[in-house]
Amino acid sequence: GDSVTQMEGPVTLSEEAFLTINCTYTATGYPSLFWYVQYPGEGLQLLLKATKADDKGSNKGFEATYRKETTSFHLEKGSVQVSDSAVYFCALSLQGAQKLVFGQGTRLTINP
Amino acid sequence: DTAVSQTPKYLVTQMGNDKSIKCEQNLGHDTMYWYKQDSKKFLKIMFSYNNKELIINETVPNRFSPKSPDKAHLNLHINSLELGDSAVYFCASSQETGSYEQYFGPGTRLTVT
Repeated sequence: GDSVTQMEGPVTLSEEAFLTINCTYTATGYPSLFWYVQYPGEGLQLLLKATKADDKGSNKGFEATYRKETTSFHLEKGSVQVSDSAVYFCALSLQGAQKLVFGQGTRLTINP
Repeated sequence: DTAVSQTPKYLVTQMGNDKSIKCEQNLGHDTMYWYKQDSKKFLKIMFSYNNKELIINETVPNRFSPKSPDKAHLNLHINSLELGDSAVYFCASSQETGSYEQYFGPGTRLTVT
């Protein structure tokens, strides 16, 4: 079945450090890929997306590139801030499936 | 303007009770969803509705009954609540076509004692 695997958390970094959160997927078709972020006590917000191979999604300094050859969609940010502390979810959807399949989430904590 | 709203935000109740959670979206989307997030933050879809019709039911116990009076609303009724139902429940919506990106409500934290 379709699935998403994220790197184990929690991840703790210092402010201004470089961030990578790995995400790989298994899908029977050609999925759209997403990163969602959940700040403490809040619902999920779409952070960025990519709908086809080699697309790069970007938002708020975060980037992720849809790599079909490695079935990956790693999240990166060059310089993290304390306000980036949250849980990050990688997800996929398949056209016609009308549901999101989520990874297990990665908790990120940024220390000042 | 709130895009996807849920009520209540917190719900504390005893085992065996029946409770409902309401969801409304003002995005004009055709499809709405319920997700359950457990204590380890794992998110799993429960139901999806498209234009008031049930599309997905992911082997959820029949104590859970979604109801969609119109395409802007999807309510979740839970009968005979059990301790294991304690979780955060998220409502979401999306367009029928395209990348199916979903917009989530703020969540309802259900605690069963």
